[in-house]
Amino acid sequence: GQSLEQPSEVTAVEGAIVQINCTYQTSGFYGLSWYQQHDGGAPTFLSYNALDGLEETGRFSSFLSRSDSYGYLLLQELQMKDSASYFCAAQGAGTALIFGKGTTLSVSS
Amino acid sequence: NAGVTQTPKFRILKIGQSMTLQCTQDMNHNYMYWYRQDPGMGLKLIYYSVGAGITDKGEVPNGYNVSRSTTEDFPLRLELAAPSQTSVYFCASSLTQGAPGDEQYFGPGTRLTVT
Repeated sequence: GQSLEQPSEVTAVEGAIVQINCTYQTSGFYGLSWYQQHDGGAPTFLSYNALDGLEETGRFSSFLSRSDSYGYLLLQELQMKDSASYFCAAQGAGTALIFGKGTTLSVSS
Repeated sequence: NAGVTQTPKFRILKIGQSMTLQCTQDMNHNYMYWYRQDPGMGLKLIYYSVGAGITDKGEVPNGYNVSRSTTEDFPLRLELAAPSQTSVYFCASSLTQGAPGDEQYFGPGTRLTVT
């Protein structure tokens, strides 16, 4: 079967750095995506890692280790507007994306 | 570009009623998807399509049907609605599947309550 595990909640303060981990079990793994969803909104794409290593996009970075079946999303210089749910999603061979249950990030001042 | 549009935004159904959730994309994407999201949960794939005339089941297809007669439209049909189908339904599309940078674009969602 296919599954992804990520923490259900993370809290942090403005300006801090937070890391959201994701472990996956997917046959024929292609890559790992991250999506952000604000309360009541639609998910929006943040990043995609197909190869091992770190991908940086502004304040957000995403990391993948294929040998460890592990990835993380790193959010720097946290802002209140970063309070949202973050989903990792695995792409397997011949399948559509499988999403994790999401991590709710709460940023306080 | 409107992206992915969904109608209706909200709907209340009685048990046993049927309805169709509409989804349209104007990005000429081959791949389209239907997800449901229950409160506090992730997205579960209902059905997906890799192109006009081709559809396949996802994780939770029971109680739903889809069709894909055009590239743009991917309606989701609920027959004999049940309370367990109360959820938020998202339609999404992507240009490719599994390619580097592959991104799914989501519609705003349909909030469905079955009572």
